[in-house]
Amino acid sequence: TQLLEQSPQFLSIQEGENLTVYCNSSSVFSSLQWYRQEPGEGPVLLVTVVTGGEVKKLKRLTFQFGDARKDSSLHITAAQTGDTGLYLCAGRIIQGAQKLVFGQGTRLTINP
Amino acid sequence: DTGVSQNPRHKITKRGQNVTFRCDPISEHNRLYWYRQTLGQGPEFLTYFQNEAQLEKSRLLSDRFSAERPKGSFSTLEIQRTEQGDSAMYLCASSLGSGSSYNEQFFGPGTRLTVL
Repeated sequence: TQLLEQSPQFLSIQEGENLTVYCNSSSVFSSLQWYRQEPGEGPVLLVTVVTGGEVKKLKRLTFQFGDARKDSSLHITAAQTGDTGLYLCAGRIIQGAQKLVFGQGTRLTINP
Repeated sequence: DTGVSQNPRHKITKRGQNVTFRCDPISEHNRLYWYRQTLGQGPEFLTYFQNEAQLEKSRLLSDRFSAERPKGSFSTLEIQRTEQGDSAMYLCASSLGSGSSYNEQFFGPGTRLTVL
């Protein structure tokens, strides 16, 4: 059983379109992070959210943490081919816990 | 380059052989983590160190796996008597331990292990 469920698992869209990726759990997270991973490389940290309802923007990427801190979303505006990659959400279930629990990832392909 | 480094990047071995991977964390980070990632899945936690102390180990870490961080800097992960099921990407991450509840973890490029 996956503690963090990401949807969709695969998404292929045209350049210029908007998209949203979801990360859901029945558990409350003390913090949640989004990473992007290229094939054959390690995950690269994009953002950390810690407060329920928090919204963070990173250029065309908007990250939101649910009010109850059980879910998060990543919205990309006007997707570009360079956004292609595996997007992973990861969180800490227990305050002060060190290990991250990861979702299975959303593989995003942006077609020119 | 001041990021997390891992060596080797790729390792191909025969079943039953021992392998050892090395991780060099970001220099000022006192926490170091090992994760394993199989194809199509997110990384799974294996173990973590604060300085030289190994503070948590996952049940995924069987007796054939051992990790060390002898001087609180670099770490090694050894797998003895490798099995085909050990084939995966082994990822190392480090973070700056503090009183905050969200020490951000920064990952290395990983070591891809293939057991034939």
